[in-house]
Amino acid sequence: KAGVTQTPRYLIKTRGQQVTLSCSPISGHRSVSWYQQTPGQGLQFLFEYFSETQRNKGNFPGRFSGRQFSNSRSEMNVSTLELGDSALYLCASSLDSRSSGNTIYFGEGSWLTVV
Amino acid sequence: GENVEQHPSTLSVQEGDSAVIKCTYSDSASNYFPWYKQELGKGPQLIIDIRSNVGEKKDQRIAVTLNKTAKHFSLHITETQPEDSAVYFCAASKPGTASKLTFGTGTRLQVTL
Repeated sequence: KAGVTQTPRYLIKTRGQQVTLSCSPISGHRSVSWYQQTPGQGLQFLFEYFSETQRNKGNFPGRFSGRQFSNSRSEMNVSTLELGDSALYLCASSLDSRSSGNTIYFGEGSWLTVV
Repeated sequence: GENVEQHPSTLSVQEGDSAVIKCTYSDSASNYFPWYKQELGKGPQLIIDIRSNVGEKKDQRIAVTLNKTAKHFSLHITETQPEDSAVYFCAASKPGTASKLTFGTGTRLQVTL
C-alpha cells in the first residue's frame, strides 16, 4: 500500500512568488492535513480538509491556502512568498479525523526555500 | 489552545541502555497522543500512539505510558540500537479534531556504540 506522496520534494522560489504543493493521501483516506516544520517554530498545523471541505485551520495568514479534490488529493498554495516561509511542508492523511481511532500518517514533505 | 512541552531536548545513551522522553499537555480534553520518529531528511513516522482510555501500550522495545490526572505521557525505548538515533516528537489532539496535532519541540536521541 503506497504511503502519502508529496510533490515536489524540493523547490526554490523567489520572494513575492507563489508556490503550489501537492499531496496524494493513502488510498482510502479522506482526511488530508498540512503542517509546516521550521527549526524555530517546530511542527505547526496549517489546515485540514475532508471531503473537499476545510475542516480545521491553524494560525497562519491568508497567504496560506489549500484545497482538496474529489479523489482526496490535496494542494496547498502560498502566495507572496516571504523568506520566513522557507520550511518543510508536510502532508498527512487519515481515514477520518473525527474518529477517535484515527491514525495520522505523514509524507516525506516538500522542502521549500525562498530566496 | 493546547500546549505540549517535551523534555529533554537532547538525549545521549549507550547502545543497549533505555531512553525515556517525557511530555506534558495543557488541555485536559486531549485524548489522542501519538509519538513520531523523524530521521534526517524524512517525514515523521508514527511509532506508537495511545488513547486516553488506556494507561500503557507496548510494541516490542517501545512503550508509552499516559497519566491523565497529571496530563503527562512518556515514551520508553528499551535495548536501544544505533538505528534508534533520530528526533522524536510527541503530540496531542482533541476529540473531533484528531488531525490537528499539537507537537512537542522534539528530542534528539543519539545512541552511541
